Amino acid sequence: QQQVKQSPQSLIVQKGGISIINCAYENTAFDYFPWYQQFPGKGPALLIAIRPDVSEKKEGRFTISFNKSAKQFSLHIMDSQPGDSATYFCAAGRGGSNYKLTFGKGTLLTVNP
Amino acid sequence: GAGVSQSPSNKVTEKGKDVELRCDPISGHTALYWYRQSLGQGLEFLIYFQGNSAPDKSGLPSDRFSAERTGGSVSTLTIQRTQQEDSAVYLCASSLGSGVSYGYTFGSGTRLTVV
Repeated sequence: QQQVKQSPQSLIVQKGGISIINCAYENTAFDYFPWYQQFPGKGPALLIAIRPDVSEKKEGRFTISFNKSAKQFSLHIMDSQPGDSATYFCAAGRGGSNYKLTFGKGTLLTVNP
Repeated sequence: GAGVSQSPSNKVTEKGKDVELRCDPISGHTALYWYRQSLGQGLEFLIYFQGNSAPDKSGLPSDRFSAERTGGSVSTLTIQRTQQEDSAVYLCASSLGSGVSYGYTFGSGTRLTVV
């Protein structure tokens, strides 16, 4: 059972455009939703994270939008740059002492110059 | 060290051989995780350590897989009698505490190829 569904699998955006990646989850106990960025040959790195008590969180060009009723959250990359080209993973976990993250399958983002 | 270190970075092994993958977490990080990343798949949880104990081994695919952690630091993932379906990138992560909100710091992984 895939608990976190991520789309699209791949995305091509022109420099300066907006990249949007979507995720949907099933387990209503999830209350922590991070996004990880992975460059080729490297491990994933935490990019930004949100809790369901807010509907949006912004850090620089990166914004998470969260819709609790729809059990969906998305990553928006504004003014996309070629250096943003990477694989992006959404994930979900439960707070407190719970340690396990459930990851989506990833989105390969390519930003053309 | 400054980050999570994994070795080797690449490993090619023959089917049926045993392999050991090593992870050096960030100093002071008490929690350590192993995940597996297969082509086109997300990150699959394998095992979680808190200190030297492994309270959750539920993600290990079969009894050919085992892991240990010593001194609250270095961890080794061992795969016995490797099969072609074991080919994947094995990622280790550590965190300061056991809650997800501490954030995982991943190593660069070990790419295992079973031929």
